[in-house]
Amino acid sequence: GENVEQHPSTLSVQEGDSAVIKCTYSDSASNYFPWYKQELGKRPQLIIDIRSNVGEKKDQRIAVTLNKTAKHFSLHITETQPEDSAVYFCAATTITFGTGTKLQVIP
Amino acid sequence: GAVVSQHPSWVICKSGTSVKIECRSLDFQATTMFWYRQFPKQSLMLMATSNEGSKATYEQGVEKDKFLINHASLTLSTLTVTSAHPEDSSFYICSASGIRKETQYFGPGTRLLVL
Repeated sequence: GENVEQHPSTLSVQEGDSAVIKCTYSDSASNYFPWYKQELGKRPQLIIDIRSNVGEKKDQRIAVTLNKTAKHFSLHITETQPEDSAVYFCAATTITFGTGTKLQVIP
Repeated sequence: GAVVSQHPSWVICKSGTSVKIECRSLDFQATTMFWYRQFPKQSLMLMATSNEGSKATYEQGVEKDKFLINHASLTLSTLTVTSAHPEDSSFYICSASGIRKETQYFGPGTRLLVL
């Protein structure tokens, strides 16, 4: 089955800086890669997703890149704000989640 | 749109009792619902996938007789933790997907504490 690795597990950045979270997957047949943001004690919320026929997708300050050959994809958050602080999960296919990255944006 | 509710939001029960958790899609028909378990500071672990009108498909290591899942309608799925024990204490989250099967919408979760 699919296996997803996510790095780093924790990430601290200064407000205004960029944050990058990386994930690798094992199943070359996977074709859907969502990213979720989960605030403490709350539900995960989809923030962006990408399909295998696209190499990059951007939505305001958030972007995702996908390298199918290398089987990795990344989340990029620019101009970080304190409200971006949360745990971020990547996923390959619908149901296989990475281990999560706790992002802390320091004001 | 695409709102999923979950009830109760938290529950405390005695060891040996059963607890039922409901997951509802409020404004769309959920052909597939997923149940996850999340331990503190850990990722979401899929427990089972259920399609309306069919038996749930359980992940390896999840006891189907202990975690009973019913998906009787396109808007409701239930998870019953039978004979709960302290090790079943966790955060249980459901999610639902509709026509766009890949996109999941998560419920707010249920925090279960078994004493």
